[in-house]
Amino acid sequence: QVQLVQSGAEVKKPGSSVKVSCKVSGVAFSTSYITWVRQAPGQGLEWMGRIVPVVGRPSYAQKFQGRVTITADKSTGTAYLEIHSLRSEDTALYYCARQYNNILDYWGRGTRVTVSS
Amino acid sequence: DIQVTQSPSSLSASVGDRVTITCQASQDIRHHLNWYQQKMGEAPKILIYDASILETGVPSRFSGSGSGSDFTFTITSLQPEDIATYYCQQFDNLPLTFGQGTKVEI
Repeated sequence: QVQLVQSGAEVKKPGSSVKVSCKVSGVAFSTSYITWVRQAPGQGLEWMGRIVPVVGRPSYAQKFQGRVTITADKSTGTAYLEIHSLRSEDTALYYCARQYNNILDYWGRGTRVTVSS
Repeated sequence: DIQVTQSPSSLSASVGDRVTITCQASQDIRHHLNWYQQKMGEAPKILIYDASILETGVPSRFSGSGSGSDFTFTITSLQPEDIATYYCQQFDNLPLTFGQGTKVEI
């Protein structure tokens, strides 16, 4: 079956970086859009960006451009989200999801990132 | 960016009630809208795609309609297991954008 398994919770200091992983199985990883969506505590869903591993060129929401890096390792079927210069407002649950035919059809369980001094 | 305005932000209804949620896009997005359900502590789940197509396995009490900039999501007979937050999401253009969510309570 399709699984997106995300890495565990992180606690980071402001100004540091975090890298979250998402291991995908059960679908054609290289030709899928792997999307990152975040959800701040008690808030809604926010699209951050996506990557198609076979192409390797990510797209980002302008808000995150320059501070977020999305990559993919085709050899392991794993996508990554790295956020630099963390601030308290980055405290959120970060989801990876597979996008197919414009539908976010499979989701990971989320990785909680807490930014606190 | 395309803004998607969803309303209401929350609602309370009784079991068996008809529930309606609306989304309005800031420009014409044709039929490029999806609806998701997010239960507490879970990831979102696709219910309706392309504005009106029911995802396989989703109960038929859920439906969607609309095109252009105005869309409606309906639960024809609310069930206890429908307690969740519902989001619309446009995919006409990047960045993908979501509505603010509607929390449905009984």
